[in-house]
Amino acid sequence: AQKVTQAQTEISVVEKEDVTLDCVYETRDTTYYLFWYKQPPSGELVFLIRRNSFDEQNEISGRYSWNFQKSTSSFNFTITASQVVDSAVYFCALSGSGSARQLTFGSGTQLTVLP
Amino acid sequence: DVKVTQSSRYLVKRTGEKVFLECVQDMDHENMFWYRQDPGLGLRLIYFSYDVKMKEKGDIPEGYSVSREKKERFSLILESASTNQTSMYLCASSLSRGPGNQPQHFGDGTRLSIL
Repeated sequence: AQKVTQAQTEISVVEKEDVTLDCVYETRDTTYYLFWYKQPPSGELVFLIRRNSFDEQNEISGRYSWNFQKSTSSFNFTITASQVVDSAVYFCALSGSGSARQLTFGSGTQLTVLP
Repeated sequence: DVKVTQSSRYLVKRTGEKVFLECVQDMDHENMFWYRQDPGLGLRLIYFSYDVKMKEKGDIPEGYSVSREKKERFSLILESASTNQTSMYLCASSLSRGPGNQPQHFGDGTRLSIL
């Protein structure tokens, strides 16, 4: 069985602070993919990044960066110089070898960025 | 851009009614999914389909059924609605083709209240 844990239920920061959202996963698959999604107050989940289990390179996209460490089964997400528009619920998810590559989601982290 | 359209944004029904939630995607995706989202629980997979007329149970299928008669449309059916099915319902679709596990694309969600 697969499992994704996002231990931080809610985080509140002041604008321009850096913030890291934690994600820890469990899987028996040797090939798997990790994802991050953002859900703003409007409700639609927006895809942010996909990472496969063979690629442990960190990735940076503008103010966003992701740190994948297989040794600790973690895939953490950092927002640098946070902005009010970053306020949202962020979900980490895992997919393995299922017939439709279905996702297992974490419970989400509510990020609030205060002006 | 992929467009996943859910028929209603808000829906109010009564206990015991048969409820239909409709989802249409316009990008020829093979896979389609239904999730429910509840506070503190993240997204939980109800049913998914990897082809027309094919369906598989997710993690919480009890009280639900699905129908996929055409590739672009995936319907979720609450056979006899109960108050514990009050929730946000999210539809998603993804490609089977292409390298790796493709990201899922989500609709805006249907907030369903059962009175």
